[in-house]
Amino acid sequence: NAGVTQTPKFQVLKTGQSMTLQCAQDMNHNSMYWYRQDPGMGLRLIYYSASEGTTDKGEVPNGYNVSRLNKREFSLRLESAAPSQTSVYFCASSELARGQETQYFGPGTRLLVL
Amino acid sequence: QKEVEQNSGPLSVPEGAIASLNCTYSDRGSQSFFWYRQYSGKSPELIMSIYSNGDKEDGRFTAQLNKASQYVSLLIRDSQPSDSATYLCAVVVNNNDMRFGAGTRLTVKP
Repeated sequence: NAGVTQTPKFQVLKTGQSMTLQCAQDMNHNSMYWYRQDPGMGLRLIYYSASEGTTDKGEVPNGYNVSRLNKREFSLRLESAAPSQTSVYFCASSELARGQETQYFGPGTRLLVL
Repeated sequence: QKEVEQNSGPLSVPEGAIASLNCTYSDRGSQSFFWYRQYSGKSPELIMSIYSNGDKEDGRFTAQLNKASQYVSLLIRDSQPSDSATYLCAVVVNNNDMRFGAGTRLTVKP
């Protein structure tokens, strides 16, 4: 199993450009998440999807949209990138087993917006 | 007040010592608590989860939870240089909404 995969690994955008970050998991998990991580601020939840066809806002959703394309894939879109969106983006998926939930993270996408 | 607070460190301990990492949280209704380890440039990986008051041990790691004090800690016994990383405390506040602390950077010196 590859676990959680993300593409691209690195991206440089100009202000105003759009792009989609891709995430896929092969663990048959129902829940998937997008986080951003900035220095000194830890991970902050952007959006999550508890199941195929549902999405919910997290702590910092402004400037982003998401699509839960199917059970495996959860994409994050920046319609008009801003320098404040320069960050490392992590996708995660989770399973609920024996009443406990465990999140597994992808390798991250490093985004620089100029 | 941040929802999850940790000392940013760096925390430096000698090899073989006990490293103690602390975390406080603001939502009294939180029921699920996690410790993640993150090496520089890598993604977080789960070390421990804890749901009930008291201690939970897994190898060299012990998580401690005190819901009355809204406090969760991680002890690392016999610390090794390979334990040098940033440790993230995470708390589930609503269903799937997990909030992370900013992390404590731990350095274990040989």
